[in-house]
Amino acid sequence: DQQVKQNSPSLSVQEGRISILNCDYTNSMFDYFLWYKKYPAEGPTFLISISSIKDKNEDGRFTVFLNKSAKHLSLHIVPSQPGDSAVYFCAAMRKNFGNEKLTFGTGTRLTIIP
Amino acid sequence: EAQVTQNPRYLITVTGKKLTVTCSQNMNHEYMSWYRQDPGLGLRQIYYSMNVEVTDKGDVPEGYKVSRKEKRNFPLILESPSPNQTSLYFCASSFGLRGDWDTQYFGPGTRLTVL
Repeated sequence: DQQVKQNSPSLSVQEGRISILNCDYTNSMFDYFLWYKKYPAEGPTFLISISSIKDKNEDGRFTVFLNKSAKHLSLHIVPSQPGDSAVYFCAAMRKNFGNEKLTFGTGTRLTIIP
Repeated sequence: EAQVTQNPRYLITVTGKKLTVTCSQNMNHEYMSWYRQDPGLGLRQIYYSMNVEVTDKGDVPEGYKVSRKEKRNFPLILESPSPNQTSLYFCASSFGLRGDWDTQYFGPGTRLTVL
């Protein structure tokens, strides 16, 4: 039972344009969401997070939007750069319940075309 | 330099031969965790540890053991590896108990093949 889903295995975007990566979840108890970026032969690195009390969080070129009613979050990268080419994972947890387990999505491979 | 190290980085073994993958962090983190990454399945948590001598099962613990005798080390043990444990394994650590999830560090990964 995949509680966190990334339905697009891959995405190609022209350099300078906006990249939008999507993530859906089924567990309404999730209250904290994170995005990780992973380059080949490296471990994932934290990118940005959002609490369920917010609907938007911004950090430089990266913005995460959360739609709780739709159980959907998205990561926007503007403008996209070649160094953004990587696999992106969304993850969710029940932080306020003291549950320290992270549930990851399946990942989306983003390719930025120069 | 703050880091999580894993050894070995690559391992090919045979069914039934016990093996241990080590994980060590130098950030004094309380929380440590093991994940496996498989195509189409993303990252799935195997075990996690909130502190020394405190461990708990993740989503896919079958066939694995862990121990947390020291704060910095969190080895993953496969007592009798099977081919379905062929995967890419990641260790991670963070100040999980303080809710500081934004600083979870991952190791570089261990690619395990069980023949």
